[in-house]
Amino acid sequence: EDQVTQSPEALRLQEGESSSLNCSYTVSGLRGLFWYRQDPGKGPEFLFTLYSAGEEKEKERLKATLTKKESFLHITAPKPEDSATYLCAVIGSSNTGKLIFGQGTTLQVKP
Amino acid sequence: DAGVIQSPRHEVTEMGQEVTLRCKPISGHNSLFWYRQTMMRGLELLIYFNNNVPIDDSGMPEDRFSAKMPNASFSTLKIQPSEPRDSAVYFCASSLGGGTYGYTFGSGTRLTVV
Repeated sequence: EDQVTQSPEALRLQEGESSSLNCSYTVSGLRGLFWYRQDPGKGPEFLFTLYSAGEEKEKERLKATLTKKESFLHITAPKPEDSATYLCAVIGSSNTGKLIFGQGTTLQVKP
Repeated sequence: DAGVIQSPRHEVTEMGQEVTLRCKPISGHNSLFWYRQTMMRGLELLIYFNNNVPIDDSGMPEDRFSAKMPNASFSTLKIQPSEPRDSAVYFCASSLGGGTYGYTFGSGTRLTVV
């Protein structure tokens, strides 16, 4: 069964304090790994898609990386507006388009 | 594009009542997904349509839940009768190409059953 585990559940950072969020996955035939950001009261917002081990994507202070077992979302010099829940999800070859989500990491960045 | 549009944004209903949630996907997207989000279980896929045809409804909790997609621009999720344990945020999402390129989510419907 495809599974996604995110850690930590919650993370508090000071503004400017860089850190990483982890997403471990087990999936048969990874077709894509996705990172989403979710603000309170809103739907998840797409950030990145990674398709193969070794791939990296960047957007402003965020950088996503992928290995055969896990993905990291690196946050460099975060600002308070980066506070949100970050969700990781995978699509496997046996799931025909279904995104399987992790429980998320709730990030709080204090000024 | 206005994105994925869901209505209503909030719904409070009494146990036993019928509830209908509505979704308008992004024009041109051929896949539509209904998810439910709770603190305990996170985001769970309920049902998935491709080209208006239900592909996978294995996540629909029980017969009280039903979903339809009569055309490419509209879908409904119905709960009849509703129960307090159905209280959650229900999201609709759409995509092109079966989800491999990611989904675009709507803002969700927060359902409270009292």
